[in-house]
Amino acid sequence: AQSVTQLDSQVPVFEEAPVELRCNYSSSVSVYLFWYVQYPNQGLQLLLKYLSGSTLVKGINGFEAEFNKSQTSFHLRKPSVHISDTAEYFCAVVNQAGTALIFGKGTTLSVSS
Amino acid sequence: NAGVMQNPRHLVRRRGQEARLRCSPVKGHSHVYWYRQLPEEGLKFMVYLQKENIIDESGMPKERFSAEFPKEGPSILRIQQVVRGDSAAYFCASSPGLAGADGDEQFFGPGTRLTVL
Repeated sequence: AQSVTQLDSQVPVFEEAPVELRCNYSSSVSVYLFWYVQYPNQGLQLLLKYLSGSTLVKGINGFEAEFNKSQTSFHLRKPSVHISDTAEYFCAVVNQAGTALIFGKGTTLSVSS
Repeated sequence: NAGVMQNPRHLVRRRGQEARLRCSPVKGHSHVYWYRQLPEEGLKFMVYLQKENIIDESGMPKERFSAEFPKEGPSILRIQQVVRGDSAAYFCASSPGLAGADGDEQFFGPGTRLTVL
């Protein structure tokens, strides 16, 4: 069965610093991976997704993620964060039946000045 | 640019009452998903529907919960005889194709926050 582990529940960083949010997955089938962002009291917004091809995926708002099959990881990175990046970030994988997303518990990114 | 719409945004019910949550998908999307988010937890899949059909309800509690997506109108998640443990944020998502088969993005609504007193 598929599962997603987000290793850090909270990540505090200063503005303009780089950040990496870690995600590990387990899956016995072809992997489609997603990162979503959730701002307070809002729904989820897609940052980026990996379906196939290049292992480095670029998304919106300057975020990127790298798919590493050998380490079963899909870490999210941004070279320089802004205050406005403060939000909850969720990593997700498609379930085996292909009918839904399986989410990690989320990582709260807090950016301060 | 109408995205996924959910109403109400906030719903308060007393134990034993019924809760009805509505979701209008993105225009043209025929795949609808419901997720539940408990405090400090990620989203948990509940049910996946296409027009007039429940395709996967493996995440739905066996009792008190039901979902529908009629030919006309919004998708409805219905919770009968609510209990305090039902308090959560319920999110609806829609996609043009099947997420697993096509890798399509799921577009999420703003959620309905249910509070059971």
